[in-house]
Amino acid sequence: DGGITQSPKYLFRKEGQNVTLSCEQNLNHDAMYWYRQDPGQGLRLIYYSQIVNDFQKGDIAEGYSVSREKKESFPLTVTSAQKNPTAFYLCASHQWAGDQPQHFGDGTRLSIL
Amino acid sequence: SQKIEQNSEALNIQEGKTATLTCNYTNYSPAYLQWYRQDPGRGPVFLLLIRENEKEKRKERLKVTFDTTLKQSLFHITASQPADSATYLCALDMNTGFQKLVFGTGTRLLVSP
Repeated sequence: DGGITQSPKYLFRKEGQNVTLSCEQNLNHDAMYWYRQDPGQGLRLIYYSQIVNDFQKGDIAEGYSVSREKKESFPLTVTSAQKNPTAFYLCASHQWAGDQPQHFGDGTRLSIL
Repeated sequence: SQKIEQNSEALNIQEGKTATLTCNYTNYSPAYLQWYRQDPGRGPVFLLLIRENEKEKRKERLKVTFDTTLKQSLFHITASQPADSATYLCALDMNTGFQKLVFGTGTRLLVSP
């Protein structure tokens, strides 16, 4: 079955540590996205990528970094510069054809130790 | 500033009734609007998309309306079932040339047997 796989499901970060969240898709989608979800808030866009080797900052990119070396993969690194990283992180992909829906993974919940 | 409002209070209804969820927005001119379902600890799942030139869209027990004058979308689930209990998110496209979705905070629906 085609879909998006995020790992790990739960992740704990120590002070000063960088952590990387994995996102892999086998839908052959061009565009990929990272969102952050906090209680009582809508999903907020962190980074997005329209094609391989290209990515753009979203609304809340500070303290995060990404790479897009392969079409299937779009890992997100939460750096030590992100002072409030505790949240539910969602990866999505989208076929680059106008109003097609986004397909989401099942998220990674990041907490601070 | 841009704003999307969904009722933050949970909607409680009895099985068999019609659930109606509201999505209001200001300062947007979206090309289309999407509705997603999200279960606890899972990623959102796409349900329906409605374009700015469409008044209504249906899929099985689901119906979405879109009033660009009122800046409002209504999402209806007819003959509701306990399995419909979830959080429902509306998302508007920012009409920027790539698919940048802005999400509402979601409304939790609880269907009692």
